[in-house]
Amino acid sequence: AQSVTQPDIHITVSEGASLELRCNYSYGATPYLFWYVQSPGQGLQLLLKYFSGDTLVQGIKGFEAEFKRSQSSFNLRKPSVHWSDAAEYFCAVGSGNTPLVFGKGTRLSVIA
Amino acid sequence: EPEVTQTPSHQVTQMGQEVILRCVPISNHLYFYWYRQILGQKVEFLVSFYNNEISEKSEIFDDQFSVERPDGSNFTLKIRSTKLEDSAMYFCASSGGLAGELFFGEGSRLTVL
Repeated sequence: AQSVTQPDIHITVSEGASLELRCNYSYGATPYLFWYVQSPGQGLQLLLKYFSGDTLVQGIKGFEAEFKRSQSSFNLRKPSVHWSDAAEYFCAVGSGNTPLVFGKGTRLSVIA
Repeated sequence: EPEVTQTPSHQVTQMGQEVILRCVPISNHLYFYWYRQILGQKVEFLVSFYNNEISEKSEIFDDQFSVERPDGSNFTLKIRSTKLEDSAMYFCASSGGLAGELFFGEGSRLTVL
């Protein structure tokens, strides 16, 4: 069965520092991979997605993620975090005919 | 920009009562979903809907749950007899294609007392 692991429940970074949120997946087929962000009281907004091709994908708000098949990982990165990036981040995996499976999320706090 | 809208944003109900959560998906989308998120936990898949029928459902989606697309725009989730453990945020999502991006609504928070 497919699963997604986000090892970090809560991360705190300083504004302007770099960020990496980890995501590992278990999936029997070639996965489609997604990162969603959820601000307090809001719905889920897609940051970026990987279907195929270039393993480094660019998303909105300056985020990027790299698909590493050998490590079953799809880590999310941002070179310089802004205070407005404080939110909950969810990694998700799916395919062409299965619903998305989400990780438990990583809460990002940004300090001055 | 088109968006998925959900109503109500928050509903408080007594245990055993019926609840209907409503969603208006993006107009040209064909695939519809309900997910839920219990406070502090991950987003869990409930059900997917395509071509006026359920295409897949999870173990959570038992006989107390049902979905309906009563007209060309609304997509509803009904819980027949709510339990305390149904308290959660319920997200509706829609997609233009089977492997496409899911667009989520802002959620309906259900509190069962």
